[in-house]
Amino acid sequence: DVKVTQSSRYLVKRTGEKVFLECVQDMDHENMFWYRQDPGLGLRLIYFSYDVKMKEKGDIPEGYSVSREKKERFSLILESASTNQTSMYLCASSLLAGPNYGYTFGSGTRLTVV
Amino acid sequence: QQQVKQSPQSLIVQKGGISIINCAYENTAFDYFPWYQQFPGKGPALLIAIRPDVSEKKEGRFTISFNKSAKQFSLHIMDSQPGDSATYFCAAREGDAGGTSYGKLTFGQGTILTVHP
Repeated sequence: DVKVTQSSRYLVKRTGEKVFLECVQDMDHENMFWYRQDPGLGLRLIYFSYDVKMKEKGDIPEGYSVSREKKERFSLILESASTNQTSMYLCASSLLAGPNYGYTFGSGTRLTVV
Repeated sequence: QQQVKQSPQSLIVQKGGISIINCAYENTAFDYFPWYQQFPGKGPALLIAIRPDVSEKKEGRFTISFNKSAKQFSLHIMDSQPGDSATYFCAAREGDAGGTSYGKLTFGQGTILTVHP
């Protein structure tokens, strides 16, 4: 089974801190994604990457950046954490295309910014 | 803008009943429509998916109905069970004719389903 592992389940950070969320996948998927999940808003795409060192903005990239130095690892960076970034963050990976296309999600990181 | 609209936001069903969740989309370039199921403390997991060249797909108790002309699709859960209690997300993927979508999914707002025993 494909596994997507997010390094932390729960994080509490202070306003203004630089925060790193790490994600690793073990199935050689080309695509990796970062979403945030908020009640009533569903899953909103922050950034995605289709190849090493390649990144594309999603729908809500403001206040975030990403890094993909290796194919299996995709990091989300909150440059200066703010309380409105308190949320559940979900990482996902997928093949680029194919008949069995689908995302595999990690279990999520619940970030609280105080 | 919300390209995929999902309703209802929450749903309560008795055991054995039928659960129905609806989604509507606007972008005619969408070419793949999956549903994801999420249990508390877990990430969403792919449940069932459909392409727009078919009107219905069934897997066990789960059925997707697709209406291309109305740009709507729905998930039906037959004989709903307490173990089906979860959050359900519909999603849509933009076809990659222009080579720029990279297969990213747009998700609906989610439906919290509660099945009472």
